[in-house]
Amino acid sequence: ELKVEQNPLFLSMQEGKNYTIYCNYSTTSDRLYWYRQDPGKSLESLFVLLSNGAVKQEGRLMASLDTKARLSTLHITAAVHDLSATYFCAVVRDNYGQNFVFGPGTRLSVLP
Amino acid sequence: GAGVSQTPSNKVTEKGKYVELRCDPISGHTALYWYRQSLGQGPEFLIYFQGTGAADDSGLPNDRFFAVRPEGSVSTLKIQRTERGDSAMYLCASSSQRGRTLISYNEQFFGPGTRLTVL
Repeated sequence: ELKVEQNPLFLSMQEGKNYTIYCNYSTTSDRLYWYRQDPGKSLESLFVLLSNGAVKQEGRLMASLDTKARLSTLHITAAVHDLSATYFCAVVRDNYGQNFVFGPGTRLSVLP
Repeated sequence: GAGVSQTPSNKVTEKGKYVELRCDPISGHTALYWYRQSLGQGPEFLIYFQGTGAADDSGLPNDRFFAVRPEGSVSTLKIQRTERGDSAMYLCASSSQRGRTLISYNEQFFGPGTRLTVL
C-alpha cells in the first residue's frame, strides 16, 4: 500500500530564515506534486516533479525529487509571512493511474 | 477563465438523510476527481472520472457513496443515509493532460469545496 509521509507536520519559523520540508513515499512513483492550502481555502498547485533529479523553483520555494530515495524536498528560502499555509505533497498510486495519495500536510507558520 | 466550482459551499444535514454535492469542472477538462478532507488531514481520494466513466472508484468508502458524470462535464457526488462520520470537506478537481505522450501528467485544479456537516 502506498503511504506518503511528511515532516515536520508543524513548522514555526521566523521571517528571513531557511527551512526544508520532507516528503517520503513508500512505493515507486515517477510523479510527485506539491500543493499549498490556505486556511479554509482549497488547494493550489505549486510544482509537478516528473523525473529523478527534477528541480523546480518559484520565488522563495524550490522543490526537488529523488525517485531512488523516494524523497522530495520543499525548500523555503528567506521565509516571509505570506508563505504561512499548509503544504501537501502527493504521489500517484501507480504510474498509469490517477489515484493520488496525499501526505498529511506540513502546517507552516512564518512569524514576523 | 472560470475555475472549478462546487455547490453548495456548505451543507448541513441530519443523520440518515440523502445529500448531493455538485462539481462543475473547468471547460474542456476530461478528468474529474473527488476527494474528502477531514480537519487537519490531507485529501483522501474517492473517485476519478475520465470522460463519463468512473475510471477508478476504489476510494469510495462504502456503497452509501456514489458519483456520476453523465455527460462528461458536471459531476454529482451522492451520499445516502448520511452518518456523522461523513462530515468533512468534499473537494473536486479537474485536470487536462499535459506533456508528451511518454512523460505526461495531469495537473489538478481544485474547486473551493463543499463543507458537509451531518448532525
